[in-house]
Amino acid sequence: ETVLTQSPATLSLSPGERATLSCRASESVSRYLAWYQQKPGQAPRLLIYDASNRATGIPARFSGSGSGTDFTLTISSLEPEDFAVYYCQQRNNWPGTFGQGTKVEIK
Amino acid sequence: QVQLQESGPGLVKPSETLSLTCTVSGYSISSGYYWGWIRQPPGKGLEWIGTIYHTGSTYYTPSLKSRVTISLDTSKNQFSLKLSSVTAADTAVYYCARAEYSSGLFDYWGQGTLVTVSS
Repeated sequence: ETVLTQSPATLSLSPGERATLSCRASESVSRYLAWYQQKPGQAPRLLIYDASNRATGIPARFSGSGSGTDFTLTISSLEPEDFAVYYCQQRNNWPGTFGQGTKVEIK
Repeated sequence: QVQLQESGPGLVKPSETLSLTCTVSGYSISSGYYWGWIRQPPGKGLEWIGTIYHTGSTYYTPSLKSRVTISLDTSKNQFSLKLSSVTAADTAVYYCARAEYSSGLFDYWGQGTLVTVSS
């Protein structure tokens, strides 16, 4: 199965700073990669689909890029509510798989 | 607004079958989309279990395929998960979700329910 490796495991930043999260696939997933945000005690929320498309209601400070095996989620200026765990997920290769997550914590 | 809600026992004994139901409101599951189950062991990441299409076609992750059954009950607008021969490794928060595709892209999620496997 396709392994998604997210880096870094933890990102320590201050509000207002830019966050750059990486997701690398063990084989090409084309552009069929999504990003989810999960806060403690909550279900994941879809942020980005097909590498760069924001889901409904997602603020413009969230953006995604990449194709093939290398993808990036960027949060242009961190808001207090953005501190959470972020997961990538691919649907191009069977079975769909998730990355292990990147925690964005307050510095 | 589409809403999903998981229900079922929070404690299951080893070797028994875990059974959960997801009740959907705001959308008729027979109209379209895939409907799936994802789990998350305590303090760990997400694992896709499987999905079912509105026609009844099912798709399971290979590592769990021999123990998983997902089914629809369109009369109640529900879908269900059964996982047999459970062990402590199956202890997790189980989420139901709506999916755009058989292998993912989950746009609506339930709140999740913790299932503990213990005697």
